[in-house]
Amino acid sequence: DIVMTQAPLSVSVTPGESASISCRSSKSLLHSNGITYVYWYLQKPGKSPQLLIYRMSNLASGVPDRFSGSGSETDFTLKISRVEAEDVGIYYCGQLLENPLTFGSGTKLEIK
Amino acid sequence: EVKLVESGGGLVQPGRSLKLSCAASGFNFNDYWMGWVRQAPGKGLEWIGEINKDSSTINYTPSLKDKFTISRDNAQNTLYLQMSKLGSEDTAIYYCARGIAFAYWGQGTLVTVSS
Repeated sequence: DIVMTQAPLSVSVTPGESASISCRSSKSLLHSNGITYVYWYLQKPGKSPQLLIYRMSNLASGVPDRFSGSGSETDFTLKISRVEAEDVGIYYCGQLLENPLTFGSGTKLEIK
Repeated sequence: EVKLVESGGGLVQPGRSLKLSCAASGFNFNDYWMGWVRQAPGKGLEWIGEINKDSSTINYTPSLKDKFTISRDNAQNTLYLQMSKLGSEDTAIYYCARGIAFAYWGQGTLVTVSS
C-alpha cells in the first residue's frame, strides 16, 4: 500500500497569515498520463470531509483561491493564503493512483 | 443540489451483520463511480472500496474484502454497504462519496459494534 505521511501534526495560524501543510507519498503518484493523483480534503469540526484540491493542483468547485496545491512526484504541499477562521479543521492528503486508496493521518489547523 | 444521505447505522452486536444505504439525488447516479470511506472515533479516513457505474467493477481495501460487500441499485439511485462479522474495530462513521475523487460526501452514519 502507498503510505501518505503528513506534517506537521498541527499548525496554529494568525488570521491573515499563510499556512503550509506537507504530504509525502511512499511511491510516485505521477501516472504515465502525466497526472499526479494526490488530493486534499478538509474536514471541518463535526462535518464530513470536503474536496479542496484534485490532481495535485486543481481547485475543486467552490473552493476559495486562497487554497493552492503543488508538488513533485512524491512531495506535495497545500498552501492556504490569508487564513480565515472558517479554515479550521483537519486537512488530509490522499492518493488516488492505485488501490487501496490511502490517506495521510491529517493535519489540524487552529487559529491563534 | 447534490445530496448523499446515508442510513442504516446503529448499535450492533459483535459478529452480526448490518447493511448501510446511501440515497443519492441531484445528479445522474448512473454516471458516477461511488465509494465508501469510514472514520473510527477520533481517527483518520479509511477507504473501504468503490463500485463503477454498472457494478461490473468493485474494488475493496484488502483487509475488508471478505467482510464487506458494495453494491448499487441504479433504478433506486442507492448505494449499499453490506457488512458482516462485525467487530469492535468496525465502530466508525461510514461515509458514502461520489466519484473517483470523492467530490461529494454524505453526512455519514455511525455504526457502533458493542455487546
